[in-house]
Amino acid sequence: DQQVKQNSPSLSVQEGRISILNCDYTNSMFDYFLWYKKYPAEGPTFLISISSIKDKNEDGRFTVFLNKSAKHLSLHIVPSQPGDSAVYFCAAKGGSNFGNEKLTFGTGTRLTIIP
Amino acid sequence: GAGVSQSPSNKVTEKGKDVELRCDPISGHTALYWYRQSLGQGLEFLIYFQGNSAPDKSGLPSDRFSAERTGGSVSTLTIQRTQQEDSAVYLCASKGPGNYGYTFGSGTRLTVV
Repeated sequence: DQQVKQNSPSLSVQEGRISILNCDYTNSMFDYFLWYKKYPAEGPTFLISISSIKDKNEDGRFTVFLNKSAKHLSLHIVPSQPGDSAVYFCAAKGGSNFGNEKLTFGTGTRLTIIP
Repeated sequence: GAGVSQSPSNKVTEKGKDVELRCDPISGHTALYWYRQSLGQGLEFLIYFQGNSAPDKSGLPSDRFSAERTGGSVSTLTIQRTQQEDSAVYLCASKGPGNYGYTFGSGTRLTVV
């Protein structure tokens, strides 16, 4: 049962344009959402997060939007840069064991920025 | 240490052999997690340690998998009688109290031949 879904396995965006990565979840008990970025042969690195009590969080070029009614979140990167090329994972915390700090991850989206 | 350290970085083993993967978390981090990423898949939760509490083993795929965390610090993930489907990158992460930024190590790439 895939509780966190990233339906686009890959995305290509022109440098300087906006990259939008999407994530859907099924468990309404999730209370915190995170985005991770992963380069080949490295572990995922934390990028940005959002609490379920908010609908937007912004950090520099990165903004995460949360639509609780649709159980959907998105990561916007603007302007996109070549160094943003990586695999992006959406993750959620909470669920059936409220207070459990376990993260549930999506399958990732490979973002390629075209110079 | 400054980050989460995992060893070895790569491990090739023969089917049926046992392997041990090590994780050295960030000093002072009370929570430690093991995940694995199989080819083309997302990160699959395996096991979670929090302080002195009993670990959450709900993600371990079979009884061939076990993990321990000694002294609340270093953790070892053991896979007995390895199978080819165990081939994956095994990732360890740690987290301090009140910190939502889980820090991952670079992983151990396990290949079972």
